[in-house]
Amino acid sequence: EIGMTQSPATLSVSPGERATLSCRASESVSSNLAWYQQKPGQAPRLLIYGASTRATGVPARFSGSGSGTEFTLTISSLQSEDFALYHCHQYNNWPLTFGGGTTVEIK
Amino acid sequence: QVHLVQSGAEVKRPGASVKVSCKTSGYTFTKYYIYWVRQAPGQGLEWMGIINPSDGDGRYTPKFQGRLTMTRDTSTSTVYMEVHGLRMDDTAVYYCARSLDDILPRFDFWGQGTLVTVSS
Repeated sequence: EIGMTQSPATLSVSPGERATLSCRASESVSSNLAWYQQKPGQAPRLLIYGASTRATGVPARFSGSGSGTEFTLTISSLQSEDFALYHCHQYNNWPLTFGGGTTVEIK
Repeated sequence: QVHLVQSGAEVKRPGASVKVSCKTSGYTFTKYYIYWVRQAPGQGLEWMGIINPSDGDGRYTPKFQGRLTMTRDTSTSTVYMEVHGLRMDDTAVYYCARSLDDILPRFDFWGQGTLVTVSS
């Protein structure tokens, strides 16, 4: 099973600032990585797939990069609605696995 | 408009079974795979398995093999997920999510989640 490690666990950022979230896989997952955003009491929402492709309707301030074992989600200028929990997810190998999540909170 | 609507919260005793439904609408039921993912309190997401609504074929992650059953009813476009032999650490919110692809899945629509509480 591929382990996914996200860092930091919590990221404190002021509105309008840039946020950088990291995700590391225990072995290569190629570009088969997605990012999901989850707000309290809600289901996750797909943001990024294929490591760097934005899902339909996702604002351009969200961008993904990386391949192999190191991945990054960048939010260029945080808006109030972006404060949430973010999950990375590899779908290169079964069983599918998720990272432990990064909470982006208001500084 | 695509919707995945799950059944309501459940409270079960250890050793019991729970069956959660996921009723879909707004798209061709047999065209998309349904995945089940759970989230224990304060924890990350955990994938459980997948069902192909077209033929009913289910594949489960090894952790749940033998304790998990996924079925579907094409007449109501509904998928069911049943967990047997519940334990306290099965307490979680259970989500269904759809994906067009089972090789490189991406979950574009999700159910609202069903809280299953296992308590004696």
